[in-house]
Amino acid sequence: AQSVTQPDIHITVSEGASLELRCNYSYGATPYLFWYVQSPGQGLQLLLKYFSGDTLVQGIKGFEAEFKRSQSSFNLRKPSVHWSDAAEYFCAVGADNAGNMLTFGGGTRLMVKP
Amino acid sequence: DTAVSQTPKYLVTQMGNDKSIKCEQNLGHDTMYWYKQDSKKFLKIMFSYNNKELIINETVPNRFSPKSPDKAHLNLHINSLELGDSAVYFCASAPQRETQYFGPGTRLLVL
Repeated sequence: AQSVTQPDIHITVSEGASLELRCNYSYGATPYLFWYVQSPGQGLQLLLKYFSGDTLVQGIKGFEAEFKRSQSSFNLRKPSVHWSDAAEYFCAVGADNAGNMLTFGGGTRLMVKP
Repeated sequence: DTAVSQTPKYLVTQMGNDKSIKCEQNLGHDTMYWYKQDSKKFLKIMFSYNNKELIINETVPNRFSPKSPDKAHLNLHINSLELGDSAVYFCASAPQRETQYFGPGTRLLVL
């Protein structure tokens, strides 16, 4: 069975600073990988996804993520954080052999200091 | 023009009651899902469903059952509600087995 670990429960960065959120997955085959963002009281919005091909994927709101098979990682990055980026971020892996039901990590809460 | 909608947005009910949460998607997607998010924000898949196949997460109690009247709807029925069912329930849909689009969530509180 697949699993996802987000090692950082909380991260605080200053506005304008760079950001990296870590995600490690466990899955026997080539994974489908996703990053979603959840603002307080809101649903989940897709930031970006990796299915195959180029291991560096670009997403919305200036986010990018890099798939590293050797490290089983899919870390999310942003060069300059804005106050509006404060939210909960979820990494997820999809398993094609199980209806693509997503397995989520525990989430990382991002706080942005002015 | 909401892509994935859920009703109600909030649901407060007593233990032992039976309730339903509705989900509708207007994206023409083939597959729909239900997820549960607990008080610690942990998201867990409950069901995956298309018009041919229902996949159930084995940890979901059989008090929970998905009902799909048509391809655009996947409702969640919960019987004999328990305190531990309090959570936010998210519906999602996807074309075949690709990117899932989530609804706004239904916040269920069982008293």
